[in-house]
Amino acid sequence: EAGVTQFPSHSVIEKGQTVTLRCDPISGHDNLYWYRRVMGKEIKFLLHFVKESKQDESGMPNNRFLAERTGGTYSTLKVQPAELEDSGVYFCASSSRGGYRTDTQYFGPGTRLTVL
Amino acid sequence: QKEVEQDPGPLSVPEGAIVSLNCTYSNSAFQYFMWYRQYSRKGPELLMYTYSSGNKEDGRFTAQVDKSSKYISLFIRDSQPSDSATYLCAMSALVLQAGTALIFGKGTTLSVSS
Repeated sequence: EAGVTQFPSHSVIEKGQTVTLRCDPISGHDNLYWYRRVMGKEIKFLLHFVKESKQDESGMPNNRFLAERTGGTYSTLKVQPAELEDSGVYFCASSSRGGYRTDTQYFGPGTRLTVL
Repeated sequence: QKEVEQDPGPLSVPEGAIVSLNCTYSNSAFQYFMWYRQYSRKGPELLMYTYSSGNKEDGRFTAQVDKSSKYISLFIRDSQPSDSATYLCAMSALVLQAGTALIFGKGTTLSVSS
């Protein structure tokens, strides 16, 4: 079974440009999460999808970040326009079971974003 | 005060040593406690998952939770060079809806020398 995949693995862009990150969750997983790790800091939650619906987007830093999950399969995270402080590693995770117990979240390898 | 505190290390030990990794937390709503292992340039991989106070053992790994002290630990027995990685503690609260966000510590970098 394929794990969570993310594309690209690394992206270098200029300040003010737009970047789109993609995440393909494990097949059949309804829950999809985005997290971010800024250098020297802990991994922080950005948002959570259940199928195509945003369940919790309390961690999104500002309106320059737009996440979508059309059709409830893969997800994209767009940053427009990118700022220097957006540099970091963006992780995607997916899990299968909802309900009121935490389920195992399986993480992708991350996309390393560098904004110059 | 951060919700989860974890000493980033680095921690260096010889092969065969017992390793103790720790996290403290401030939010008494946390009910689920996890340890993830992350190798360089890879995503975090779940190692252990506990719900209640006490110990949980899996091979060479033991996870310990003390909710009264808001303190969790991961012990690695007979450490191997392949255990060299960053170890992240993560926690979440009980919520009555699908899925829940994980709150991570900064991670402790462990190096086991042969």
